[in-house]
Amino acid sequence: AQKVTQAQTEISVVEKEDVTLDCVYETRDTTYYLFWYKQPPSGELVFLIRRNSFDEQNEISGRYSWNFQKSTSSFNFTITASQVVDSAVYFCARTGGSQGNLIFGKGTKLSVKP
Amino acid sequence: ETGVTQSPTHLIKTRGQQVTLRCSSQSGHNTVSWYQQALGQGPQFIFQYYREEENGRGNFPPRFSGLQFPNYSSELNVNALELDDSALYLCASRFGGSGGYTFGSGTRLTVV
Repeated sequence: AQKVTQAQTEISVVEKEDVTLDCVYETRDTTYYLFWYKQPPSGELVFLIRRNSFDEQNEISGRYSWNFQKSTSSFNFTITASQVVDSAVYFCARTGGSQGNLIFGKGTKLSVKP
Repeated sequence: ETGVTQSPTHLIKTRGQQVTLRCSSQSGHNTVSWYQQALGQGPQFIFQYYREEENGRGNFPPRFSGLQFPNYSSELNVNALELDDSALYLCASRFGGSGGYTFGSGTRLTVV
C-alpha cells in the first residue's frame, strides 16, 4: 500500500524547545504533492505547507521549517522555539489516486508544556 | 473568502438510521472532497465531486453517497448507519485539480 507513516504517535516538549516531526511516505507516482496540516482541538485541519515532488528546496517560514528528501521519501517538519499554542495533532499527507485526493498519516500529537 | 463551513457540528443518530451532513465550500472552489476521521486516526478519503459529478472514490461502501450543487454546497449522505460510522467527517474544497485544500471544522457523528 502506498501509505504515509508518522512513526511518532505523541511528543511532549517544554516550551522553547525545538521539535521535529517525522514523515515517511510510499509512492509509485513520479509527480505528487506533500502536505503538512495542523489539527487543533476544534477539529479543523489548518494548512501549513504544500511541496511539489520536483521541488526539494527546503523551506523556512518563521518558526517552521521543512526538510524534503526525495531519496529517502521523507518530509520532516521542525518547529523552532515551540510555544504552547503549537499543541495540536500534526498530519503529513500526500496526493494519491487519479484525482489527487489526500492520503494522510495517522498524525503526531504534539504537547508543548509551559 | 468565506472558508468552508459544515453543519451540524455534532450529531447523534441511532444504528440503522440515515444522516445527511452539509458543507458550504469556499466561493469559486468547484472541487469538494469528503473525509472520515475515526478517533486517533488520520482522515480517510470518502469521495470527491467536481462540477457536480463524482470523480473519485475511496474504499467506502455505496451507502455513503453525496451531492454537489451549483452554489458550491455539497452533502454527504450515509444510509443504514453502523456503530463504526462514528467519526469526524471533514469537507474540503479547492479550485480545479490543483491547489491546496481548504478544510472545514467537521461534523462529529456519533452512532449509538
